[in-house]
Amino acid sequence: GDSVTQKEGLVTLTEGLPVMLNCTYQTIYSNAFLFWYVHYLNESPRLLLKSSTDNKRTEHQGFHATLHKSSSSFHLQKSSAQLSDSALYYCALRSNYNVLYFGSGTKLTVEP
Amino acid sequence: EAAVTQSPRNKVAVTGGKVTLSCNQTNNHNNMYWYRQDTGHGLRLIHYSYGAGSTEKGDIPDGYKASRPSQENFSLILELATPSQTSVYFCASGGGTDYAEQFFGPGTRLTVL
Repeated sequence: GDSVTQKEGLVTLTEGLPVMLNCTYQTIYSNAFLFWYVHYLNESPRLLLKSSTDNKRTEHQGFHATLHKSSSSFHLQKSSAQLSDSALYYCALRSNYNVLYFGSGTKLTVEP
Repeated sequence: EAAVTQSPRNKVAVTGGKVTLSCNQTNNHNNMYWYRQDTGHGLRLIHYSYGAGSTEKGDIPDGYKASRPSQENFSLILELATPSQTSVYFCASGGGTDYAEQFFGPGTRLTVL
């Protein structure tokens, strides 16, 4: 079945360094929709990025990601981490049904 | 902006008791979802619904029931709560676009003693 893998459970960075959170997925369907959700403490998870187009970069709020169907990847990147980026980040996949499959999440902590 | 609300926000229950978590959405979305969030597991789908009167089992439905009496409301019911059901529960609504992205409520923290 469909699944999403986020290998890093915890990532700790120094402010100003680049961010890269890994996401790979598995699906038997060709029409994959990939999402990154961000969950700040005491808030609701909310959509950060989405894509369904192969090899097209999508950007929002300083973050970007490119869906690569050849490698089944949708890594989240940012050029320079800010303290306010500290949060839990989820990668999610929607394929043939209106159901999202979430990865286990990556907790990003940005330190001064 | 999309609006999903949940009640209660916090709940302490006793083992064997019945717990009902409620969710309301004003987005006019057809689809609604219940997840639980646990460290190391991320967001796991319990039940979902495609519209009033329908409920579907998600990945971890055991010990939970769901009810969708209207477009706006979706409840999660724990008939016999157990300590393993201590978690944070999120409701979401979605649909209406190709992506069918989901909009989440604020969560309910449930502790079963």
